This record gives sequence, C-alpha cells and structure tokens, in this order.
Amino acid sequence: DIQMTQSPSSLSASVGDRVTITCRASQSIRNYLNWYQQKPGKAPKFLIYAASSLQSGVPSRFSGSGSGTDFTLTISSLQPEDFATYYCQQSYSTPLTFGGGTKVEIK
Amino acid sequence: QVTLKESGPVLVKPTETLTLTCTVSGFSLSNTRMGVSWIRQPPGKALEWLAHIFSNDEKSFSTSLKSRLTISKDTSKSQVVLTMTNMDPVDTATYYCARIIGVAAADYWGHGTLVTVSS
Repeated sequence: DIQMTQSPSSLSASVGDRVTITCRASQSIRNYLNWYQQKPGKAPKFLIYAASSLQSGVPSRFSGSGSGTDFTLTISSLQPEDFATYYCQQSYSTPLTFGGGTKVEIK
Repeated sequence: QVTLKESGPVLVKPTETLTLTCTVSGFSLSNTRMGVSWIRQPPGKALEWLAHIFSNDEKSFSTSLKSRLTISKDTSKSQVVLTMTNMDPVDTATYYCARIIGVAAADYWGHGTLVTVSS
C-alpha cells in the first residue's frame, strides 16, 4: 500500500497568512493526488484533483503543486472559513489511501 | 443535484456484522468511470478509505480490512451496500459514502453515519 504522510500535523496561523501544507507519498504517484478540507462535524469537501487542478467552485486562493512523491497545498491568504483540517489522498493505485491530516488553527 | 445518504444501525455489538446502505441520487451507478467509495473516520482521527465499487462492478478493498468487507451495488435501486463482519469497539467511527469520479477522487460525500460498537 502507498503511505501518505502529511506535515505538519497542525499549525497556527492568522487571517491573511500564506499557509503551506506538505504531503509525501511512499513511492511515486505521478500527479494522482487529491486534497480535501474538513470542518468539525462535517463531511470532507473536495478541493483539488490531479495535484493542481481546482475543483469547480473552490476559491482561487487555494492551489496545489507537486508530482512524484512530494506535494503541497497552499492557501495564499488565509480566510476565517479556511480554518479546518486538510487531507491529501493518493489515487495512483488501490487501495486508495489518505494522509493523516493537517489541522489549521487560529493563532 | 448529486446527493448520497448513508443508512444503517447506530449501535452494533462486538462480533456482529454491520450492514450500511448508501442511497444515491443525481447520477446513475451505471455511469462510466464513476463509482462509490466507503470511507470511515474514528472520533478525532483521520479518514480511512475502506472500499469502492465502480460501474463495471470492479471492486477494491482496504488491505487491512479486506477479509471483513464486502461491497455490492443495486443499480435499479441506486444503492451501494457495505458489510463489515466481526465488528469490534475499534470500528466505532463515522462511516461516509462518497462518489468516486474518473481520477479516483471523492467529489461528493454523504453526511456520514456514526456507528458505535459496544455491548
């Protein structure tokens, strides 16, 4: 199985900050990497697919990059509604696997 | 409008079998390059992918849970059913179903159903 490792596991940031979350795969997954946002008590929301393609309706302050084993999710200017937990997920091979999550908290 | 809704018991006893149903609307389970996944999340923990089934009936399972899981679909009823045998308290979690699109991403999710395993 492909293991997905996210860092950091949590971070504190202020509104307006630029935030970067890293996801590393245990082997090359080319660009088969997706990102989700989850708020407490809610189902995850699909943000980015194929490492860098923004899902329809997702604000442009979100961006993704990377290929192979190393990927990043960047929020260019953190907004109050962005405080949440973010998960990466590889779709290169089955079984599909998620990272452990990164919680973005208010500083 | 795409929606998915999970249904099943809220409480199961250890060693029992859990059966969950995902009822979908706004798309067909026969749509090419689409499928449904089951994903769970223990309280305060990360997401864990369990299984998926595609329109061509291709199935895949979590390696660690493979021996305990079955997944099936009834296209006419727009339902996907997941069964998990030999339930244990560590299986207590919110169970989600989600639509899977061609890039194997979950673009629409149900609200989730909390299943507690306790005697």
